[in-house]
Amino acid sequence: AQTVTQSQPEMSVQEAETVTLSCTYDTSESDYYLFWYKQPPSRQMILVIRQEAYKQQNATENRFSVNFQKAAKSFSLKISDSQLGDAAMYFCAYRSPRGNTPLVFGKGTRLSVIA
Amino acid sequence: DAGITQSPRHKVTETGTPVTLRCHQTENHRYMYWYRQDPGHGLRLIHYSYGVKDTDKGEVSDGYSVSRSKTEDFLLTLESATSSQTSVYFCAISDITGGAFFGQGTRLTVV
Repeated sequence: AQTVTQSQPEMSVQEAETVTLSCTYDTSESDYYLFWYKQPPSRQMILVIRQEAYKQQNATENRFSVNFQKAAKSFSLKISDSQLGDAAMYFCAYRSPRGNTPLVFGKGTRLSVIA
Repeated sequence: DAGITQSPRHKVTETGTPVTLRCHQTENHRYMYWYRQDPGHGLRLIHYSYGVKDTDKGEVSDGYSVSRSKTEDFLLTLESATSSQTSVYFCAISDITGGAFFGQGTRLTVV
């Protein structure tokens, strides 16, 4: 079974600075999908960014980008120009391309942004 | 935003009573999931569905059952609620290639 590990339970960053959240995963599959979700205090789960394993190019969404290292099974999230609104729990998730399989989540990293 | 609605949003119930949470979608997505979220555990999968009447267990399925009689609705039932089932419950939907879209969550308290 696939597993997702987020080794940083908490992190903090100064406003306007850059922070990187780590995620590693374990799988024997060659094709899969990876995601980062943000959960602010409102509790809503928000999809931030996704990456298909067959694509070598790292995904980018505005200030959010990933560093996808397939051989190392690493999928880190970089937040540039951090804003107060970025303060949230961030979850990394894995999904197999096989039809009847669910997303597997890491335990999350709580990010604080310091003004 | 994806059309996914959970009801109720908050519920307090007594130990031993049955409880049903409803998830309704308007996106016609094939896959639907129930997760629970507890501090220190992230999101843990309870049950999921990959089609009408097709469901499977997740990692924390004991004490829960589900039903999906039509594409848009996925029901989660706590057969006899216990205090350990106090949690925040999330429903999610997805297609095969995309990430999941989540409902706003249900906070359930079992007293």
